[in-house]
Amino acid sequence: GDSVTQMEGPVTLSEEAFLTINCTYTATGYPSLFWYVQYPGEGLQLLLKATKADDKGSNKGFEATYRKETTSFHLEKGSVQVSDSAVYFCALSVTGNQFYFGTGTSLTVIP
Amino acid sequence: GAGVSQSPRYKVAKRGQDVALRCDPISGHVSLFWYQQALGQGPEFLTYFQNEAQLDKSGLPSDRFFAERPEGSVSTLKIQRTQQEDSAVYLCASSPERLAGNEQFFGPGTRLTVL
Repeated sequence: GDSVTQMEGPVTLSEEAFLTINCTYTATGYPSLFWYVQYPGEGLQLLLKATKADDKGSNKGFEATYRKETTSFHLEKGSVQVSDSAVYFCALSVTGNQFYFGTGTSLTVIP
Repeated sequence: GAGVSQSPRYKVAKRGQDVALRCDPISGHVSLFWYQQALGQGPEFLTYFQNEAQLDKSGLPSDRFFAERPEGSVSTLKIQRTQQEDSAVYLCASSPERLAGNEQFFGPGTRLTVL
């Protein structure tokens, strides 16, 4: 079945450090891939997405590239800020009927 | 409103009580989804509507869970005879149409605690 495996947290980084959160997937078809973010006390928000192989999604300095050969969609940011502290979820959708989410990675950025 | 709204935001129920959770999707959105998010976990799919039709309910954990969207807009998730394992955040999401690449817009969730 379709599923997402996400790097476990929590992750703690100093401000301006480089961030990578790993995400790999298993899918029966050709999925679209997403990263959602949940800031403290808020709902899930779309951070970025990619709908086909080799696409790169980017937003707010975050990037992720859809790698079909490694079935991965790792999230990266070159220089994190305190305001990036949140929980990050990788997700996929094949048919549009439902999303499959990873378990989430909690990120804390310290000044 | 501009986004997906859910009510109540918090609900405490005694074991065995029935509860009803409401979702108001973004106006005009065809697709509506319900998810269950346990503490420290990612959201897990419960059910999906396209307009008023419930096209997928494969994620509903038992026959105590029931969802409806009678006029293709507001949706209600009902849980009968609540159990402690039902304690979770229940998320509603909507989408303009059913396409794999479409973003789902999430509401703030209803946190259900069953005592």
